Amino acid sequence: EAQVTQNPRYLITVTGKKLTVTCSQNMNHEYMSWYRQDPGLGLRQIYYSMNVEVTDKGDVPEGYKVSRKEKRNFPLILESPSPNQTSLYFCASSFITPGLLTDTQYFGPGTRLTVL
Amino acid sequence: AQKITQTQPGMFVQEKEAVTLDCTYDTSDPSYGLFWYKQPSSGEMIFLIYQGSYDQQNATEGRYSLNFQKARKSANLVISASQLGDSAMYFCAMMEGGSEKLVFGKGTKLTVNP
Repeated sequence: EAQVTQNPRYLITVTGKKLTVTCSQNMNHEYMSWYRQDPGLGLRQIYYSMNVEVTDKGDVPEGYKVSRKEKRNFPLILESPSPNQTSLYFCASSFITPGLLTDTQYFGPGTRLTVL
Repeated sequence: AQKITQTQPGMFVQEKEAVTLDCTYDTSDPSYGLFWYKQPSSGEMIFLIYQGSYDQQNATEGRYSLNFQKARKSANLVISASQLGDSAMYFCAMMEGGSEKLVFGKGTKLTVNP
């Protein structure tokens, strides 16, 4: 089954304790992205990657790191989490098709993070 | 500047009736794509429908259709014959050509009443 998976789905942690949220897709997509969703703000992009070893900042990158060492995986790293990073996080992926205007992004199930 | 505007924080509809969820957008790029996603209370984001800026016809996917009015920069989602399972948050999103960056509106919460 084609899918984007995220782990963990739920996480409660404390300020300053490093954590990693994993994201994996089995569709051979070039493009992967992380979003956070906060009430009243919709979804905002944190980081994205166009392919292996190619990453770039989105709209709200502060406090986050990413890496893309393999095509299927795109982990989100919070080196020193703070309470304002409490949010619902989504990973998404898509093809990048030459000549196609845009490609549909498919989302993982979300990770609900609480930082105390 | 906000690029996607969803002016209806909440909408109510009776089961089996049609409902229109509004979305307006702002871009100077002639090449762009418009997307609608559904987020049920379980939290996942489900892709519903896509419309490209050069598409001549309005997109349709089953009970979903997109009323695309390019001159007005609107891309309203029409759900026909609403079902109880349609109760969810609905997000409109836009991607400018070549950017691969998806920009979301703040969403509309749809409630379908029996």
